[in-house]
This record gives sequence, structure tokens and C-alpha cells, in this order.
Amino acid sequence: DAGVTQSPTHLIKTRGQQVTLRCSPKSGHDTVSWYQQALGQGPQFIFQYYEEEERQRGNFPDRFSGHQFPNYSSELNVNALLLGDSALYLCASSLERGLSHNEQFFGPGTRLTVL
Amino acid sequence: GESVGLHLPTLSVQEGDNSIINCAYSNSASDYFIWYKQESGKGPQFIIDIRSNMDKRQGQRVTVLLNKTVKHLSLQIAATQPGDSAVYFCAESRGGRRALTFGSGTRLQVQP
Repeated sequence: DAGVTQSPTHLIKTRGQQVTLRCSPKSGHDTVSWYQQALGQGPQFIFQYYEEEERQRGNFPDRFSGHQFPNYSSELNVNALLLGDSALYLCASSLERGLSHNEQFFGPGTRLTVL
Repeated sequence: GESVGLHLPTLSVQEGDNSIINCAYSNSASDYFIWYKQESGKGPQFIIDIRSNMDKRQGQRVTVLLNKTVKHLSLQIAATQPGDSAVYFCAESRGGRRALTFGSGTRLQVQP
């Protein structure tokens, strides 16, 4: 049973560039959430996708956008990169029709460095 | 805005001792709480969760206690092992399968 996978593992970009990160949810899961984790901090919620639509969004600018595909995989896009966007980007998946609580399974993350 | 916070950034314990990691939350509407463990270079790993209608929940070597009166959450690890060394985060969720709000984390160091 495959867990949450993310690609690439590491990425280096320069200010002003655009980046796309990818996530495949755990087998059987239909909901994908994205989090940004700065060094030494806890993850911060960016947004959540369900049924190919953004269902909930955190306090992030419009430069951060996403997409969910019919196979439940997801992409996170960040435009006009800033130095402060350097972080570990985590993808988490869950099952909407599962138990009433909210167990989210996290992937290993993509380490983005903006120079 | 409201957030989940932690009391101690670093906790050092001897192997075999019990560990207690504390967390305070500020939103009385929070109805679901989770503890995650994160090892270096990895994503957070689910440890145990508790709903707001419960005070205590036990897992394998771990216990979570919830005190809604003072908005306090704790994680107890029995017989701490070197493999328990990691950063521990508490997180809250409101209203079901939605965004998790994380605290800044506590680093647990297990001394042999």
C-alpha cells in the first residue's frame, strides 16, 4: 500500500521564478492538503483540495495556487518566488468518507530553496 | 489569530524514563487534537489523536490527555527509547476533515 509521495525531493529556484510541486495521495484517499513548513517551525496550512476544487484556504497570497486531478493527485504552484518561500512543502492526504475525525497522512515533503 | 502553542522547545530525558510533552491551545471551538512525530528529513507521522468529548486516550506506550477547562493537551511517552528522539507537534482541527493548525514543536532528546 503506497503512502503519500511527493516530487521532486529537492528544488532550487531563483527569485521571481515559478515552481510546481507534485503529490500523489495515499492509496484510496481522495482529499489532499498542502502545508508549508519553515525551518524550526510547525507546518502551516496552505489549502485543501477535494473533488478537484479548493475547499479551504489558509492565509497565503494568490501566488500560491493548486490543482487536483481526477486521480486525486495534486499540484502546488507558486509564482513570483520570494526568498521567504524557502521551506519544506508537505502534502497530506485523507479520506473524506472515512471516520468522522481527520487523520491526515503526510508525505516526505519537497525542500524548496529560493536564491 | 488563534494558534496552538507549546510550552518547551526542547525536552531531554534519560532512556527508560517517561516523557511528557505539553501543548496549549487557544480556541475553545477546537474539537479534534492530534500529536505528530517528525524525524529529520521526514514528514510528520501520526501518533495519536483525541476528540474534544474525551479526556484521555491511550495507545501503545503513548497517552494523550486533554483538559478543556484550561485548554491544555499533553503527550505522555512511557519508557522513552532512543527511537523516540524527534520533534513532536500538537495540532488542532475544527469541524472535521479540515485544516490542521500546528504548534511550533518540541524537540525530544533521549539520552542513553
